[in-house]
Amino acid sequence: GQQVMQIPQYQHVQEGEDFTTYCNSSTTLSNIQWYKQRPGGHPVFLIQLVKSGEVKKQKRLTFQFGEAKKNSSLHITATQTTDVGTYFCAGTTSGSARQLTFGSGTQLTVLP
Amino acid sequence: NAGVTQTPKFRVLKTGQSMTLLCAQDMNHEYMYWYRQDPGMGLRLIHYSVGEGTTAKGEVPDGYNVSRLKKQNFLLGLESAAPSQTSVYFCASSYGDRVHEQYFGPGTRLTVT
Repeated sequence: GQQVMQIPQYQHVQEGEDFTTYCNSSTTLSNIQWYKQRPGGHPVFLIQLVKSGEVKKQKRLTFQFGEAKKNSSLHITATQTTDVGTYFCAGTTSGSARQLTFGSGTQLTVLP
Repeated sequence: NAGVTQTPKFRVLKTGQSMTLLCAQDMNHEYMYWYRQDPGMGLRLIHYSVGEGTTAKGEVPDGYNVSRLKKQNFLLGLESAAPSQTSVYFCASSYGDRVHEQYFGPGTRLTVT
């Protein structure tokens, strides 16, 4: 079945440093979504990417979808303590268009 | 609007007991989902529904049953709980017709002893 892998599993950064998490799929994706989960909370949707090579920005967050639509990344510039949480990627394939397959997540800790 | 709500928030079961988790959404969404979240494993899809009266199996359906008798509600049942079902359960919903963002409920923390 489809597998979505995310690295790193954990990342500790000093406040103000940059952060990147990477997502890789074993199969070509139709689209990819990113979610953020604060400690003790529930996943909250951040963005969806659909096109090959697509890049989207939300303030300090930059999301990319690979040319082959098998990988994606989330980059945070100048992290803040409010960025703490676990970031998940989740993708769909043409064969399972109604289901999202989630990566295992990257847990970000920001040290003040 | 309350969004997606889940009942109960916490529950402790003994092995072999049964229980039902209730998910309700007030956004008129067609699609609803049940996930389980275990440490280091992300969210895994248990069952989902693409409309009232329909259900389908996800990645890890064994030991669970679901029902969607009303559009706004999605029930997850455990007939005979096992320690391996100790987890945090999240319900989510989304608009139908292609994948849209999913809105998650606050979760139910279940412990099976």
